[in-house]
Amino acid sequence: SAVISQKPSRDICQRGTSLTIQCQVDSQVTMMFWYRQQPGQSLTLIATANQGSEATYESGFVIDKFPISRPNLTFSTLTVSNMSPEDSSIYLCSVGDRGLNTGELFFGEGSRLTVL
Amino acid sequence: AQTVTQSQPEMSVQEAETVTLSCTYDTSESDYYLFWYKQPPSRQMILVIRQEAYKQQNATENRFSVNFQKAAKSFSLKISDSQLGDAAMYFCAYRSTRGGSEKLVFGKGTKLTVNP
Repeated sequence: SAVISQKPSRDICQRGTSLTIQCQVDSQVTMMFWYRQQPGQSLTLIATANQGSEATYESGFVIDKFPISRPNLTFSTLTVSNMSPEDSSIYLCSVGDRGLNTGELFFGEGSRLTVL
Repeated sequence: AQTVTQSQPEMSVQEAETVTLSCTYDTSESDYYLFWYKQPPSRQMILVIRQEAYKQQNATENRFSVNFQKAAKSFSLKISDSQLGDAAMYFCAYRSTRGGSEKLVFGKGTKLTVNP
């Protein structure tokens, strides 16, 4: 399995501000995934972050709102920009099985953001 | 695009009894992975069980087993001898085996309550 650490674990933010979430993995991985889980909802993929290239965003998510960095194979950040109350969610970082072909993703504990 | 449907928003079971959670999915692919993830109130997503579509044998992990019906595109989870610690949100998820498609597609989840 992979050990994934996310910071912050939770935060309360003011409307119009931006917050950057960090994700650190205990080993090198090719792809890192950022998911959003709105209150009482399922997980929706925001984007896939590859090291050395721009992130690939899913339909409905744009780089200006959710810029992502991937400076190396163990670290990524997701910024939630110009936040509104609708951005109140849990944001989860996940990584794949590092070539073991189990197919599963491993998840961090998530970052719970509340926007006032 | 693949979709995953969980038709039971909530389920309850008595401790020590058996419960089955339903999941159906839609895909045009012949090979893929299916998963059940558990998300307790602490919110860490934990893999419960996985199934590879090319395997006819249903996966089993201790008290957890699946009924995989490929033709019907059905993937239900059976929890035997339910324990209080099984109370959580359960998400069914799909993943393609195509290269570069490591992302998971999740259903909306089923909230399982275990009654003492």
